[in-house]
Amino acid sequence: NAGVTQTPKFRVLKTGQSMTLLCAQDMNHEYMYWYRQDPGMGLRLIHYSVGEGTTAKGEVPDGYNVSRLKKQNFLLGLESAAPSQTSVYFCASSSSPYNEQFFGPGTRLTVL
Amino acid sequence: AQSVSQHNHHVILSEAASLELGCNYSYGGTVNLFWYVQYPGQHLQLLLKYFSGDPLVKGIKGFEAEFIKSKFSFNLRKPSVQWSDTAEYFCAVNSLIKAAGNKLTFGGGTRVLVKP
Repeated sequence: NAGVTQTPKFRVLKTGQSMTLLCAQDMNHEYMYWYRQDPGMGLRLIHYSVGEGTTAKGEVPDGYNVSRLKKQNFLLGLESAAPSQTSVYFCASSSSPYNEQFFGPGTRLTVL
Repeated sequence: AQSVSQHNHHVILSEAASLELGCNYSYGGTVNLFWYVQYPGQHLQLLLKYFSGDPLVKGIKGFEAEFIKSKFSFNLRKPSVQWSDTAEYFCAVNSLIKAAGNKLTFGGGTRVLVKP
């Protein structure tokens, strides 16, 4: 039982490049979330999904897209990376929107 | 919009000292409350949670938190810290009002350094 896994763990991009972060969970959770963590700002919600095939915008969605084609996977895409997107990205999942969320190990992204 | 405030950004204390971290939220409705911990280089883990019932909640590793509804607060405490408690601590609040979007809102975090 791996819980929530994220790939890659680290990535360096140049401005304008694109990439996709993968999140996978094996707990059969309906709800999945993408956050970014920046110093002093806690975690801010980028996008979330309430089930397979559905996605919704969070607090800071600009510059990101997501897809949830399979229940266990939630992909976060950066179409044209900017230095402001340098951050640590965490994926999380939960069985309901009110219960605790289980977090992945994070992806540290640097955009030069 | 909902908000969560953690008043201390950094706390430095010695082993065996007592720890209290403040958390206040801006909601008026029913909420679920959480404290998460992030040890250096690791992902967030749940320390404790409050849904209903006894407002004094006990979590893992000797931590506890008290929900005071009238003060919109959910402060975290530990009577005697250890070096291994060095971590960043996050308070999080989830409103049970559907109009608020059912989303978890995090505070800015408090970095705690315990000196041996």
